[in-house]
Amino acid sequence: QKEVEQDPGPLSVPEGAIVSLNCTYSNSAFQYFMWYRQYSRKGPELLMYTYSSGNKEDGRFTAQVDKSSKYISLFIRDSQPSDSATYLCAMTLSGGSYIPTFGRGTSLIVHP
Amino acid sequence: GAVVSQHPSWVICKSGTSVKIECRSLDFQATTMFWYRQFPKQSLMLMATSNEGSKATYEQGVEKDKFLINHASLTLSTLTVTSAHPEDSSFYICSARDADYGYTFGSGTRLTVV
Repeated sequence: QKEVEQDPGPLSVPEGAIVSLNCTYSNSAFQYFMWYRQYSRKGPELLMYTYSSGNKEDGRFTAQVDKSSKYISLFIRDSQPSDSATYLCAMTLSGGSYIPTFGRGTSLIVHP
Repeated sequence: GAVVSQHPSWVICKSGTSVKIECRSLDFQATTMFWYRQFPKQSLMLMATSNEGSKATYEQGVEKDKFLINHASLTLSTLTVTSAHPEDSSFYICSARDADYGYTFGSGTRLTVV
């Protein structure tokens, strides 16, 4: 079992839809959780950064962490064609190792 | 926010030659930088951790003599692919950790070896 599992998709939705992207993980010691957006042939761009459990909102994006279930989510409201990209989740331990563990990414396609 | 600049963005080289990729943290100091390799539709594969002023730490299976890493200053790390071969063709990305924004990535370098 991989430490971080993420469905590669592709996930295809119409413009304006609410998108839900998810990752599960096996290491309960993970404390920091991140979501990155990666456009084709570009480096990943940090979208959201949360610590421990709870929700965090930034514009159309909401990150949710459920440590009891080892499950994190990224919600995108009013999705736009420009949101079409690969979304990678990542997580790190608290203190100790600073090297993030990445999911394989979910490809999202928002069609007009 | 934190910015990591990576150059070149795209390079083609002949088999047997060496290629150097630069990664710079523009507005923060990065004592540690990371080098990743990414194949199409695959996740990031950590190759090595670059530490300023000391030797890089390579992940298992990564040839340190082929992928030379130098982190000579707090803002610059370089990856040199030596004696490149077509199987080294890939997308290489660097990353640095800053205090406020977590892990910031460079824009990546697409290497094609012909």
